[in-house]
Amino acid sequence: AQKVTQAQTEISVVEKEDVTLDCVYETRDTTYYLFWYKQPPSGELVFLIRRNSFDEQNEISGRYSWNFQKSTSSFNFTITASQVVDSAVYFCALSEVDDKIIFGKGTRLHILP
Amino acid sequence: GAVVSQHPSRVICKSGTSVKIECRSLDFQATTMFWYRQFPKQSLMLMATSNEGSKATYEQGVEKDKFLINHASLTLSTLTVTSAHPEDSSFYICSAETPGLNQPQHFGDGTRLSIL
Repeated sequence: AQKVTQAQTEISVVEKEDVTLDCVYETRDTTYYLFWYKQPPSGELVFLIRRNSFDEQNEISGRYSWNFQKSTSSFNFTITASQVVDSAVYFCALSEVDDKIIFGKGTRLHILP
Repeated sequence: GAVVSQHPSRVICKSGTSVKIECRSLDFQATTMFWYRQFPKQSLMLMATSNEGSKATYEQGVEKDKFLINHASLTLSTLTVTSAHPEDSSFYICSAETPGLNQPQHFGDGTRLSIL
């Protein structure tokens, strides 16, 4: 079974629309970390957020916000007022006690002008 | 902030060549580094965990004789793809753990390997 599931393979929205990227995870550990990374066409991974399992507070950073819900094992990512520069592949990821980062399959986001 | 440098950023070479990729932590010491591989339009898959001064730990299905990892110092891990073939063409990316409890990993910018 996948430990990190990103059900949305590809999403296209028109610029200025809000978009939410879904992430569902699976772990038996009580201590774990969740991440979101952005991978633009150039390939490098851009770190967006790391959240530990004991911190369920939602976070907002500019146009980005994250909703962590342990009850549904979800860590969803919302981009508000999307821009063309947000076009990229976004990976949700999980690390457990062994520190290995397990990536979801990614969601390819297209922001159309 | 912590920086991880990966070199080269791109390699194109003939089949049968061995290719070495370097991963350096520039302003911190990393006892543990990780190597990932990403095929086109796919996710990043962990290949191995590189531990300074000891043998790397490989994930299931990764050939250790094919992908040689050396972590000889606290700031450098190398991945050598031996006798590379076209199916080894991929994007290879490393990460390094910053020291201390529960510290984040930092990723290099990746190496795009193309075997002709």
